[in-house]
Amino acid sequence: EAQVTQNPRYLITVTGKKLTVTCSQNMNHEYMSWYRQDPGLGLRQIYYSMNVEATDKGDVPEGYKVSRKEKRNFPLILESPSPNQTSLYFCASSPQNRPIYGYTFGSGTRLTVV
Amino acid sequence: TQLLEQSPQFLSIQEGENLTVYCNSSSVFSSLQWYRQEPGEGPVLLVTVVTGGEVKKLKRLTFQFGDARKDSSLHITAAQTGDTGLYLCAGFFIDFNKFYFGSGTKLNVKP
Repeated sequence: EAQVTQNPRYLITVTGKKLTVTCSQNMNHEYMSWYRQDPGLGLRQIYYSMNVEATDKGDVPEGYKVSRKEKRNFPLILESPSPNQTSLYFCASSPQNRPIYGYTFGSGTRLTVV
Repeated sequence: TQLLEQSPQFLSIQEGENLTVYCNSSSVFSSLQWYRQEPGEGPVLLVTVVTGGEVKKLKRLTFQFGDARKDSSLHITAAQTGDTGLYLCAGFFIDFNKFYFGSGTKLNVKP
């Protein structure tokens, strides 16, 4: 089944403890992206990648890191999480190197930082 | 300032009624998508429109792209309780070479 797989689905952590949210797609998509979704603010792009070893900042990149060493994987790293990073996170992928025709989304990771 | 304006923000209707949701921008879209999202889940792509004036149908859902490619509408005929969810429009903007989501329309269809 064609899909984007994120792990974990739920995560509670403490301020300052490094964490990684994994994302993998099995559709050979070029473009991958991370979004966060917050009430009243909608979906906001954190980072994106147009291909392997090509990543760039989205609208809200502060406090996050990403890497794209393989085409299928695009992990999101929070080096020192803070409570304002409590949010619902989505990984998404798109076939071409720009998301002109839309995304396939993962099921989401609900992160709580205390 | 939102690049994409969706209206209404909330809609609560009875099963069997019709409804229309709107998505507007002052900039031209290269393409526009509509998604449906259930609580705690990822958005699911319903349709992509790329040509001005284009109309697409998906069972009881009708999607229209404006002639100038600055607006779109989603019309649901005879809504069912299973249509309940958050409907998001999203578009790729030529001028900014970027993709943005609207803030969504939260639809509740009551039995």
